[in-house]
Amino acid sequence: KAGVTQTPRYLIKTRGQQVTLSCSPISGHRSVSWYQQTPGQGLQFLFEYFSETQRNKGNFPGRFSGRQFSNSRSEMNVSTLELGDSALYLCASSLGTVQTDTQYFGPGTRLTVL
Amino acid sequence: GENVEQHPSTLSVQEGDSAVIKCTYSDSASNYFPWYKQELGKRPQLIIDIRSNVGEKKDQRIAVTLNKTAKHFSLHITETQPEDSAVYFCAASKIGGGSNYKLTFGKGTLLTVNP
Repeated sequence: KAGVTQTPRYLIKTRGQQVTLSCSPISGHRSVSWYQQTPGQGLQFLFEYFSETQRNKGNFPGRFSGRQFSNSRSEMNVSTLELGDSALYLCASSLGTVQTDTQYFGPGTRLTVL
Repeated sequence: GENVEQHPSTLSVQEGDSAVIKCTYSDSASNYFPWYKQELGKRPQLIIDIRSNVGEKKDQRIAVTLNKTAKHFSLHITETQPEDSAVYFCAASKIGGGSNYKLTFGKGTLLTVNP
């Protein structure tokens, strides 16, 4: 099976702009989670979607939002970008059930905010 | 919410030696504990995981132990090789029964294996 894919891989934006990142999960996986990775804070949970519904949300401001489509692909949007939003954004997919919760990560999107 | 502490933040060993990384968690309801390895510039990859109904799990040179009473779990790598050099992350999650599914990660351990 193909792994988790993310597009774009690299992105440069300026403060105040908005950005949309995309994640395609492993075929058959219904859960997609998003994480922000920075050197200082490590991996922090943003939100999780399962069958097009947000099932969990981390402690990030409302500028961070997401959605999931019927084919399980997910997008994450960040509005009014700030310098501190520069990070590697990782998505992870899983079957999303109690029995099989293993999350598999994509390669990430490296976002730089200038 | 859950809090995961990971130690040490850096670890340097000689090839062939063993490496141990320890994590503690705060939420006694957490029941799933994966370990991820992230090589420079690459995605985190699951190397081993353990559920709270098991005290130890092994996979070749890698083992994980879990002490539910003390709320800590450890990664053990034996006969380390230079290709084991990477950042290792522990994580905790509560799955099942109105579950959480979110992973709370430790801050990571940079393991360097010197030839």
